[in-house]
Order: sequence, then structure tokens, then C-alpha cells
Amino acid sequence: ETGVTQSPTHLIKTRGQQVTLRCSSQSGHNTVSWYQQALGQGPQFIFQYYREEENGRGNFPPRFSGLQFPNYSSELNVNALELDDSALYLCASSPGTGRDWELFFGEGSRLTVL
Amino acid sequence: GQQVMQIPQYQHVQEGEDFTTYCNSSTTLSNIQWYKQRPGGHPVFLIQLVKSGEVKKQKRLTFQFGEAKKNSSLHITATQTTDVGTYFCAGRVTDKLIFGTGTRLQVFP
Repeated sequence: ETGVTQSPTHLIKTRGQQVTLRCSSQSGHNTVSWYQQALGQGPQFIFQYYREEENGRGNFPPRFSGLQFPNYSSELNVNALELDDSALYLCASSPGTGRDWELFFGEGSRLTVL
Repeated sequence: GQQVMQIPQYQHVQEGEDFTTYCNSSTTLSNIQWYKQRPGGHPVFLIQLVKSGEVKKQKRLTFQFGEAKKNSSLHITATQTTDVGTYFCAGRVTDKLIFGTGTRLQVFP
């Protein structure tokens, strides 16, 4: 649909472990944003990458980190997992960082931390 | 930090009834976007409002942006079962798009 693909779709980790989530943005989109959506909540902004540089960050600790690659795909890494990290992680791409762009979301990666 | 609140949190309506969700920001917004998320799905863009006092319509949906650019509303006329889902406003503050808390709409046939 949106052309944004995320992997894996579901995963289970234990407290203290590390996880890497991946996102392929829609063709032609150079900006990727990551959001965390806990059950029954709205998406919370984690950070945004534009042309391989982080250019915006929400209120998440440094153990949440990311990368954007030359092909504009992206990774979200979370270290030292905590139970509260259990959530749906959404990746969204857009054609630019300007204020007028809409977000195209992937299906998400559902992370469960036990 | 910036907060975007929506009310109500939940709304159950009979098919054919109207529905409205309200969005309020603690700070002035550059623009506001609305998204719909179906159960088990991901947010899908509906519309963007940019100008103070702007009103836009999409078939049965009417979107408004407040004069102070700190609030917005979405009104659905004559709801249908296909309208079921959670509606999020998302306000842009500098380079961040901050999502509201969402209003979950349930429509009974």
C-alpha cells in the first residue's frame, strides 16, 4: 500500500536484551521517522532521519538509537530493553522534512519484552 | 513538553449518527494533520490544514483548524460502519509531528 516495509513484524525479547528493527522507505522518500505506539495510545515521536542525519528527537533515552543508510532505509536500535518498551514500533517515510509533508507509515513491528 | 490532547477518548454511535473529535495543543502549531488507524492497522493520512481558521471537507468528513492554530476538530456526518477506527490529529511543531491521544470510534449497525 504505502510502499514502506518493516521487519520483523513481531518479535519477543527478554529484559536487558537488545533489538534492531528495520524499515525500507517508499521510493523517492529521503526522510524516515520512528514512532512508538503503546497499546491504546497515540504514536510517540522517537526521532527522524533526513539524508542519513538525525534531525529531530523526542523524549526518549539514549538507549534508543538509529541509523539511516544511503538508500534511505533505516534501523531503530534499542539497548537494555525494559518491560515498558513493549509496543508497536512504526516507521514512516516522507519526501522531505518540510512542514507540509504527510507521513506514509509501514505496518509496524510489534515488540514484546518479557 | 508539547502535548496534543484529544477528546473524547472513546465514542460509540449508532450508524447514521454524527461524530466529532476535538484536538487541543499546548503550543501553536505550524499545521495539523489527521490520520485514521483501523484496528490492527497503521495510521493512514487523511488531510492537512495549514491556515488559521481553515475548513476542509472530504465527503462526509469536515475538518477545522482553529483561529489560534492550537486546536482542531473532525466531524463525521451520518457515520457508517466503515468509519470504525481511531482518529488521530498530529500537530507539527518545528520539525516534529506530535500525535494526539486519539479518539476511538465504534459504530453499531
